[in-house]
Amino acid sequence: EAQVTQNPRYLITVTGKKLTVTCSQNMNHEYMSWYRQDPGLGLRQIYYSMNVEVTDKGDVPEGYKVSRKEKRNFPLILESPSPNQTSLYFCASRAFGGGQETQYFGPGTRLLVL
Amino acid sequence: AQSVSQHNHHVILSEAASLELGCNYSYGGTVNLFWYVQYPGQHLQLLLKYFSGDPLVKGIKGFEAEFIKSKFSFNLRKPSVQWSDTAEYFCAVNVAGGYQKVTFGTGTKLQVIP
Repeated sequence: EAQVTQNPRYLITVTGKKLTVTCSQNMNHEYMSWYRQDPGLGLRQIYYSMNVEVTDKGDVPEGYKVSRKEKRNFPLILESPSPNQTSLYFCASRAFGGGQETQYFGPGTRLLVL
Repeated sequence: AQSVSQHNHHVILSEAASLELGCNYSYGGTVNLFWYVQYPGQHLQLLLKYFSGDPLVKGIKGFEAEFIKSKFSFNLRKPSVQWSDTAEYFCAVNVAGGYQKVTFGTGTKLQVIP
């Protein structure tokens, strides 16, 4: 089954404690991205990756890092989380070109930073 | 850069009423357009998409959308809503043919009253 998985699904942490949210897709997609969803603001892109070792900033990259060492995985790293990073996070992937530009979303990770 | 506007933030309808959710985008070139739905507590799912061709696009669950290039609009419609359509709806756009990011609108919460 084609899917995007994220872990953990729920996370409560404290300010300053480094955390990683994993994302994995089994569709061999080149393009992966991270979004955060906040009430009244919709989804905003944090980072995206066009392929292995190729990443770039989205609209709200401050306070986040990513890496793309393998095609299937795209972890999101919060080196020093702060309360304003409390949000719902979605990972997504898509293929490139040929009319295959539909994004597939993961189930979401709800993060609370105290 | 492209942007997306969804003017209706919260819509309340009775069952069997007709639905139209507005979506306008700003970008002068060729775009791909999407509508996603997010049911309570779930991740985003694709309702329908427009890449090219017939500007009237039919999606899942009886939804359709019409691309009007002259108005930069891609409004979502359904002739008769059901209680199960209660969800948040997001319009999204990306520049056709590239890896460019997908930009989402702020979403419209639809509440259908039985």
